[in-house]
Amino acid sequence: EAQVTQNPRYLITVTGKKLTVTCSQNMNHEYMSWYRQDPGLGLRQIYYSMNVEVTDKGDVPEGYKVSRKEKRNFPLILESPSPNQTSLYFCASSSIRVGNEQFFGPGTRLTVL
Amino acid sequence: GIQVEQSPPDLILQEGANSTLRCNFSDSVNNLQWFHQNPWGQLINLFYIPSGTKQNGRLSATTVATERYSLLYISSSQTTDSGVYFCAVRAGTASKLTFGTGTRLQVTL
Repeated sequence: EAQVTQNPRYLITVTGKKLTVTCSQNMNHEYMSWYRQDPGLGLRQIYYSMNVEVTDKGDVPEGYKVSRKEKRNFPLILESPSPNQTSLYFCASSSIRVGNEQFFGPGTRLTVL
Repeated sequence: GIQVEQSPPDLILQEGANSTLRCNFSDSVNNLQWFHQNPWGQLINLFYIPSGTKQNGRLSATTVATERYSLLYISSSQTTDSGVYFCAVRAGTASKLTFGTGTRLQVTL
């Protein structure tokens, strides 16, 4: 089944404790992206990657890191999480070969205490 | 940047009723998608429809790109249709989808 997977789905952590949210897609998509969703602010792009080893900042990159060492994986790293990073996070992927329709993962609900 | 407006913001329907959700956008787009965010927070792809009309079961969508709007039709609504419906667009060489503020739909028995 073609899909985007994220892990973990739910996470409660404390300020300053490094964490990684994994994202993987099995559709051979070259483009991957991270969004966060917050009440009243909608979905905002954090980082994106056009292909392996190519990443760039989105609208709200502060406090986050990403890497794209393999085409299928695009982890989101929070080196020192803070409470304002409490949010619902989505990973997405797409390919220009199929019209750039974006497919989203199931979401990761993160709470930073 | 491009602006995306959705209407109505909230909608309450009785099961079996039909509805039309609207999405207006402020510039030319090369990607327009409709999503349903279910009560568990998952974003479900409904339509990829930068132009034209598509149908999938009880749902259909129409995008008139020249007039910068899209419509999502839900017929014979069911309680499982409840949730938030988002329109999202991509313009020009932008890397991201810009989402509208959503329409919150509640279907009651």
